[in-house]
Amino acid sequence: DADVTQTPRNRITKTGKRIMLECSQTKGHDRMYWYRQDPGLGLQLIYYSFDVKDINKGEISDGYSVSRQAQAKFSLSLESAIPNQTALYFCATSISSATDTQYFGPGTRLTVL
Amino acid sequence: EDKVVQSPLSLVVHEGDTVTLNCSYEVTNFRSLLWYKQEKKAPTFLFMLTSSGIEKKSGRLSSILDKKELFSILNITATQTGDSAVYLCAVPISGNTPLVFGKGTRLSVIA
Repeated sequence: DADVTQTPRNRITKTGKRIMLECSQTKGHDRMYWYRQDPGLGLQLIYYSFDVKDINKGEISDGYSVSRQAQAKFSLSLESAIPNQTALYFCATSISSATDTQYFGPGTRLTVL
Repeated sequence: EDKVVQSPLSLVVHEGDTVTLNCSYEVTNFRSLLWYKQEKKAPTFLFMLTSSGIEKKSGRLSSILDKKELFSILNITATQTGDSAVYLCAVPISGNTPLVFGKGTRLSVIA
Protein backbone atom coordinates (compact mmCIF):
# COMPACT_ATOMS: atom_id res chain seq x y z
CA ASP A 1 0.00 0.00 0.00
CA ALA A 2 1.11 3.54 -0.75
CA ASP A 3 2.45 5.54 2.19
CA VAL A 4 0.72 8.77 1.11
CA THR A 5 -2.66 8.53 -0.56
CA GLN A 6 -4.86 11.19 -2.08
CA THR A 7 -8.54 11.07 -2.98
CA PRO A 8 -9.97 11.65 -5.47
CA ARG A 9 -7.28 11.16 -8.11
CA ASN A 10 -9.24 13.09 -10.70
CA ARG A 11 -12.11 15.51 -10.30
CA ILE A 12 -14.07 17.68 -12.69
CA THR A 13 -16.32 20.29 -11.15
CA LYS A 14 -18.10 23.52 -11.98
CA THR A 15 -17.39 27.08 -10.96
CA GLY A 16 -18.79 27.91 -7.53
CA LYS A 17 -18.86 24.35 -6.21
CA ARG A 18 -17.24 23.39 -2.90
CA ILE A 19 -14.54 20.76 -3.30
CA MET A 20 -12.57 18.79 -0.74
CA LEU A 21 -9.35 16.95 -1.50
CA GLU A 22 -8.19 14.43 1.06
CA CYS A 23 -4.76 13.19 2.02
CA SER A 24 -3.89 10.27 4.28
CA GLN A 25 -0.51 8.91 5.29
CA THR A 26 0.75 5.82 7.04
CA LYS A 27 4.33 7.05 7.42
CA GLY A 28 3.77 8.35 10.94
CA HIS A 29 5.06 11.77 9.93
CA ASP A 30 4.09 14.87 11.89
CA ARG A 31 4.36 17.35 9.06
CA MET A 32 2.00 17.58 6.08
CA TYR A 33 1.80 19.93 3.11
CA TRP A 34 -0.46 20.85 0.21
CA TYR A 35 1.02 22.05 -3.09
CA ARG A 36 -0.41 22.92 -6.46
CA GLN A 37 1.44 22.50 -9.71
CA ASP A 38 0.75 24.41 -12.89
CA PRO A 39 2.67 23.85 -16.12
CA GLY A 40 5.98 25.72 -16.03
CA LEU A 41 5.49 27.02 -12.48
CA GLY A 42 6.92 24.22 -10.38
CA LEU A 43 5.33 23.42 -7.03
CA GLN A 44 3.68 26.20 -5.04
CA LEU A 45 2.90 25.76 -1.36
CA ILE A 46 -0.73 26.31 -0.36
CA TYR A 47 -0.83 25.33 3.33
CA TYR A 48 1.26 23.30 5.73
CA SER A 49 0.88 21.78 9.17
CA PHE A 50 3.68 20.78 11.53
CA ASP A 51 1.35 18.92 13.89
CA VAL A 52 -2.35 18.43 14.55
CA LYS A 53 -2.81 21.83 16.23
CA ASP A 54 -0.69 23.76 13.77
CA ILE A 55 -1.87 25.28 10.47
CA ASN A 56 0.16 27.73 8.39
CA LYS A 57 -0.49 29.57 5.16
CA GLY A 58 1.82 29.06 2.24
CA GLU A 59 2.54 31.37 -0.66
CA ILE A 60 -0.82 30.89 -2.45
CA SER A 61 -3.43 30.23 0.28
CA ASP A 62 -6.15 32.61 -0.99
CA GLY A 63 -9.26 30.67 -2.02
CA TYR A 64 -8.23 27.57 -0.07
CA SER A 65 -8.68 26.26 3.47
CA VAL A 66 -7.39 23.17 5.26
CA SER A 67 -8.21 20.88 8.13
CA ARG A 68 -5.82 18.61 10.02
CA GLN A 69 -8.21 16.05 11.44
CA ALA A 70 -5.52 13.76 12.83
CA GLN A 71 -1.81 13.16 12.50
CA ALA A 72 -2.50 11.01 9.45
CA LYS A 73 -5.09 13.20 7.68
CA PHE A 74 -4.88 16.61 6.06
CA SER A 75 -7.71 17.91 3.86
CA LEU A 76 -7.73 20.79 1.41
CA SER A 77 -10.97 22.62 0.58
CA LEU A 78 -11.90 24.99 -2.20
CA GLU A 79 -14.92 26.82 -0.82
CA SER A 80 -16.06 28.16 -4.18
CA ALA A 81 -14.01 26.73 -7.01
CA ILE A 82 -12.95 28.96 -9.92
CA PRO A 83 -11.39 27.97 -13.27
CA ASN A 84 -7.91 29.26 -12.41
CA GLN A 85 -7.77 26.68 -9.62
CA THR A 86 -7.54 24.02 -12.31
CA ALA A 87 -4.24 22.33 -11.51
CA LEU A 88 -2.50 19.25 -10.20
CA TYR A 89 -2.57 19.11 -6.39
CA PHE A 90 -0.04 17.22 -4.31
CA CYS A 91 0.02 16.31 -0.66
CA ALA A 92 3.39 15.68 0.96
CA THR A 93 4.71 14.64 4.36
CA SER A 94 7.95 14.95 6.29
CA ILE A 95 9.08 13.47 9.55
CA SER A 96 10.27 16.51 11.53
CA SER A 97 12.73 19.35 11.54
CA ALA A 98 15.55 16.81 11.62
CA THR A 99 15.28 16.37 7.88
CA ASP A 100 13.73 18.41 5.10
CA THR A 101 12.96 15.44 2.87
CA GLN A 102 9.32 15.42 1.82
CA TYR A 103 7.42 12.45 0.41
CA PHE A 104 4.66 13.08 -2.07
CA GLY A 105 1.29 11.51 -2.71
CA PRO A 106 0.22 10.56 -6.25
CA GLY A 107 -1.60 13.84 -6.89
CA THR A 108 -5.15 14.93 -7.66
CA ARG A 109 -5.92 16.41 -11.05
CA LEU A 110 -8.65 19.01 -10.57
CA THR A 111 -10.50 20.67 -13.44
CA VAL A 112 -12.88 23.55 -12.75
CA LEU A 113 -15.18 24.35 -15.64
CA GLU B 1 11.90 37.51 -6.92
CA ASP B 2 12.48 33.78 -7.15
CA LYS B 3 14.63 32.34 -4.40
CA VAL B 4 15.38 29.09 -6.22
CA VAL B 5 16.32 29.34 -9.88
CA GLN B 6 16.92 26.35 -12.11
CA SER B 7 18.55 26.30 -15.51
CA PRO B 8 18.06 25.42 -18.22
CA LEU B 9 14.27 25.23 -18.17
CA SER B 10 14.34 22.49 -20.77
CA LEU B 11 16.94 20.33 -22.42
CA VAL B 12 16.92 17.73 -25.18
CA VAL B 13 19.81 15.27 -25.44
CA HIS B 14 20.59 11.95 -27.11
CA GLU B 15 21.00 8.70 -25.26
CA GLY B 16 24.51 8.35 -23.92
CA ASP B 17 25.07 12.08 -23.47
CA THR B 18 26.06 13.60 -20.14
CA VAL B 19 23.93 16.44 -18.81
CA THR B 20 24.38 19.02 -16.08
CA LEU B 21 21.41 20.70 -14.44
CA ASN B 22 21.84 23.83 -12.38
CA CYS B 23 20.16 25.22 -9.29
CA SER B 24 21.01 28.53 -7.62
CA TYR B 25 19.42 29.73 -4.43
CA GLU B 26 19.14 32.63 -2.01
CA VAL B 27 18.61 31.69 1.62
CA THR B 28 19.40 32.83 5.11
CA ASN B 29 20.89 30.19 7.39
CA PHE B 30 21.35 27.50 4.77
CA ARG B 31 20.20 24.10 5.96
CA SER B 32 19.80 21.82 2.95
CA LEU B 33 19.13 21.54 -0.77
CA LEU B 34 17.09 18.72 -2.26
CA TRP B 35 16.76 17.27 -5.75
CA TYR B 36 13.63 15.49 -6.96
CA LYS B 37 12.72 13.68 -10.18
CA GLN B 38 9.19 14.02 -11.52
CA GLU B 39 7.93 11.83 -14.30
CA LYS B 40 4.24 11.75 -15.11
CA LYS B 41 3.31 11.60 -11.48
CA ALA B 42 4.54 12.64 -8.05
CA PRO B 43 8.05 13.94 -7.43
CA THR B 44 10.41 11.31 -6.08
CA PHE B 45 13.36 12.13 -3.85
CA LEU B 46 16.86 11.87 -5.30
CA PHE B 47 19.36 13.60 -3.03
CA MET B 48 19.64 15.91 -0.06
CA LEU B 49 22.80 18.00 0.27
CA THR B 50 23.79 19.69 3.49
CA SER B 51 26.79 21.45 4.95
CA SER B 52 28.07 18.07 6.09
CA GLY B 53 27.23 16.29 2.86
CA ILE B 54 28.07 18.38 -0.18
CA GLU B 55 28.45 15.51 -2.64
CA LYS B 56 26.06 12.66 -3.32
CA LYS B 57 26.15 9.88 -5.91
CA SER B 58 23.78 7.16 -6.92
CA GLY B 59 24.56 5.17 -10.02
CA ARG B 60 24.73 7.52 -13.00
CA LEU B 61 23.40 10.47 -11.00
CA SER B 62 25.56 12.71 -8.87
CA SER B 63 25.16 16.10 -7.25
CA ILE B 64 27.41 18.64 -5.63
CA LEU B 65 26.75 21.72 -3.55
CA ASP B 66 28.76 24.92 -3.60
CA LYS B 67 27.77 26.80 -0.44
CA LYS B 68 30.08 29.69 -1.18
CA GLU B 69 28.62 30.39 -4.62
CA LEU B 70 25.08 29.30 -3.59
CA PHE B 71 24.42 26.71 -6.24
CA SER B 72 24.14 23.01 -6.85
CA ILE B 73 24.48 20.88 -9.95
CA LEU B 74 22.94 17.55 -10.81
CA ASN B 75 24.90 15.43 -13.26
CA ILE B 76 23.54 12.52 -15.21
CA THR B 77 26.02 10.44 -17.19
CA ALA B 78 25.25 8.00 -20.00
CA THR B 79 21.66 9.24 -20.19
CA GLN B 80 18.86 6.82 -21.00
CA THR B 81 15.31 7.47 -22.22
CA GLY B 82 14.11 6.59 -18.72
CA ASP B 83 15.90 9.68 -17.43
CA SER B 84 13.35 11.85 -19.26
CA ALA B 85 11.57 13.80 -16.54
CA VAL B 86 11.31 17.16 -14.82
CA TYR B 87 14.07 17.62 -12.25
CA LEU B 88 13.18 19.85 -9.32
CA CYS B 89 15.46 21.61 -6.89
CA ALA B 90 14.13 22.73 -3.49
CA VAL B 91 15.49 24.64 -0.52
CA PRO B 92 14.04 25.70 2.85
CA ILE B 93 14.41 29.47 2.57
CA SER B 94 14.83 30.35 6.24
CA GLY B 95 14.37 29.08 9.74
CA ASN B 96 11.77 26.39 10.15
CA THR B 97 10.10 26.96 6.78
CA PRO B 98 9.01 24.31 4.30
CA LEU B 99 10.72 23.77 0.98
CA VAL B 100 10.57 26.31 -1.83
CA PHE B 101 10.81 24.68 -5.23
CA GLY B 102 12.37 25.94 -8.42
CA LYS B 103 10.39 25.75 -11.63
CA GLY B 104 12.26 22.65 -12.71
CA THR B 105 14.30 21.52 -15.70
CA ARG B 106 12.48 19.37 -18.25
CA LEU B 107 14.95 16.81 -19.61
CA SER B 108 14.09 14.85 -22.74
CA VAL B 109 16.40 12.00 -23.75
CA ILE B 110 15.88 10.77 -27.29
CA ALA B 111 17.11 7.49 -28.70
